[in-house]
Amino acid sequence: GAVVSQHPSRVICKSGTSVKIECRSLDFQATTMFWYRQFPKQSLMLMATSNEGSKATYEQGVEKDKFLINHASLTLSTLTVTSAHPEDSSFYICSASGGGSTDTQYFGPGTRLTVL
Amino acid sequence: QKEVEQNSGPLSVPEGAIASLNCTYSDRGSQSFFWYRQYSGKSPELIMSIYSNGDKEDGRFTAQLNKASQYVSLLIRDSQPSDSATYLCAVNRPSYDKVIFGPGTSLSVIP
Repeated sequence: GAVVSQHPSRVICKSGTSVKIECRSLDFQATTMFWYRQFPKQSLMLMATSNEGSKATYEQGVEKDKFLINHASLTLSTLTVTSAHPEDSSFYICSASGGGSTDTQYFGPGTRLTVL
Repeated sequence: QKEVEQNSGPLSVPEGAIASLNCTYSDRGSQSFFWYRQYSGKSPELIMSIYSNGDKEDGRFTAQLNKASQYVSLLIRDSQPSDSATYLCAVNRPSYDKVIFGPGTSLSVIP
């Protein structure tokens, strides 16, 4: 149980384009989903927390207009990186929790974004 | 003081030995504690959670929690080369309604 999928697993795009990443909880209802970014050999960095049907809560320093998050249902959240630039290249990982923002998080496999 | 602290390592242990990973946290109100394993280039995977003082065992893994000392540890018995990874400690912060991840400890099990 507690499986989270992410799509795509890897994406390469040109600078200035937008990229959408999907995160799905496959066998449970995720009341809360989280989006993280991780640069090579660095710690996980929480970008935002989203609850189904509500606006996402962004961490300090994360541009909400650049990283659009939608949590339309209890099984799906999307992250759109708008007008991507090379410095946005990173490993983006979502996680989902069925018990709220302080409960166990189950991670998706991650999406490796490369912006040329 | 950082919210969740871990030794960055690398921690090296020989195959078959016990690996001991430590984590301290700052919020006395924390109630939920989690250990994750992250292989290089992969996302974290949950090893176990612990909520009460004492030990919790799951196979070769034992989590130990001491809320008075604000300390949680993970022991890995009979360490295997496949255990080589970064281990993340995570602690909930009820007053902030979030879980905070530590920076991780890199473990290397030497054959």
